[in-house]
Amino acid sequence: GQNIDQPTEMTATEGAIVQINCTYQTSGFNGLFWYQQHAGEAPTFLSYNVLDGLEEKGRFSSFLSRSKGYSYLLLKELQMKDSASYLCAVRDSNYQLIWGAGTKLIIKP
Amino acid sequence: IAGITQAPTSQILAAGRRMTLRCTQDMRHNAMYWYRQDLGLGLRLIHYSNTAGTTGKGEVPDGYSVSRANTDDFPLTLASAVPSQTSVYFCASSDSSGGGYNEQFFGPGTRLTVL
Repeated sequence: GQNIDQPTEMTATEGAIVQINCTYQTSGFNGLFWYQQHAGEAPTFLSYNVLDGLEEKGRFSSFLSRSKGYSYLLLKELQMKDSASYLCAVRDSNYQLIWGAGTKLIIKP
Repeated sequence: IAGITQAPTSQILAAGRRMTLRCTQDMRHNAMYWYRQDLGLGLRLIHYSNTAGTTGKGEVPDGYSVSRANTDDFPLTLASAVPSQTSVYFCASSDSSGGGYNEQFFGPGTRLTVL
């Protein structure tokens, strides 16, 4: 079967750095996405990785290792507005997205 | 309209009733999707459409039907609602016709309660 695993919840301090991990087992791989979802709102696109390595976009970076079936999202200089759920999704061989259950990130002052 | 709109925002529905959730996008995206999101579970694909006139089944299609008569609209119909269909429903679209990430853009969601 297809499976995406992420921690259910993480807590971090404002101004700090946090790493959210995602491991996957899917039928085929055509890219990995990270989305941010604030409570009661729609998911919004953060990043995309299809090749191994690190993609940096401002305070957010995303890493991919295809051989390990592993990705992480790194958030730097945390702000209170970063409190949200972070969703990992893999595009499979049918070009459909398989979604993890999301990681709820709580930022404390 | 800018992006994707969904209607209604929320709805309480009696079991056995028929309900259509509406979704409209103005980005001229060829692909559209319907997901449901339940607590503790990832987004689950109900139905999708790669282009106007075609539809396909996702992971959890039972009890739902869709149509794609044109590029912009992708309604989701519950023929006879059951309590297990209580969920938040998201419509999404993507442009898979060219290069780029082909990321999906989401509507604001419809919160549906079936009693």
